[in-house]
Amino acid sequence: GESVGLHLPTLSVQEGDNSIINCAYSNSASDYFIWYKQESGKGPQFIIDIRSNMDKRQGQRVTVLLNKTVKHLSLQIAATQPGDSAVYFCAAQSESWGKLQFGAGTQVVVTP
Amino acid sequence: KAGVTQTPRYLIKTRGQQVTLSCSPISGHRSVSWYQQTPGQGLQFLFEYFSETQRNKGNFPGRFSGRQFSNSRSEMNVSTLELGDSALYLCASSTENEQFFGPGTRLTVL
Repeated sequence: GESVGLHLPTLSVQEGDNSIINCAYSNSASDYFIWYKQESGKGPQFIIDIRSNMDKRQGQRVTVLLNKTVKHLSLQIAATQPGDSAVYFCAAQSESWGKLQFGAGTQVVVTP
Repeated sequence: KAGVTQTPRYLIKTRGQQVTLSCSPISGHRSVSWYQQTPGQGLQFLFEYFSETQRNKGNFPGRFSGRQFSNSRSEMNVSTLELGDSALYLCASSTENEQFFGPGTRLTVL
């Protein structure tokens, strides 16, 4: 069956360093991917998305990379700040499912 | 523009009771999705409503139901509550693909 998972449950990053969060998906029919950030006590917040016809997309301090060959995507956060401490989720969707399937989440902890 | 609002924010119920949660989407959004979030299972899709019709459904038992009104507001109902239903219930409204989440309703079943 389909699954979306993240490689690490917790990522500790020093302030100012770059963060890389990885995610694997199993369904090759997935054609749309989103990264969300969830801070404590809040709902998930959209960060960036990417469609399967692209392999890279950049936002403000964030970059998403998609490798369809190995069904892997990553989120890179440049110059990580204390405010980036949160749980990050990847989600995948395909036209046939019609719904988003979320990974388990990676807790990013930014240390001074 | 106001974001997605959910009421109540916190709820405590006992086993066997039923509960109704409410979600008001962003103005103009016609699609509302519901998710259950638990530490063990992560974010799991419950159902999606669009123009008062259920468009997608996740793998939850029939005790979980929902509906959407003509103003796009949505409710979800859980009957015969079980301890395992304790979770954060998130509602998201969307246009096309991007989903905007509400703060969630924290349900505790005792």
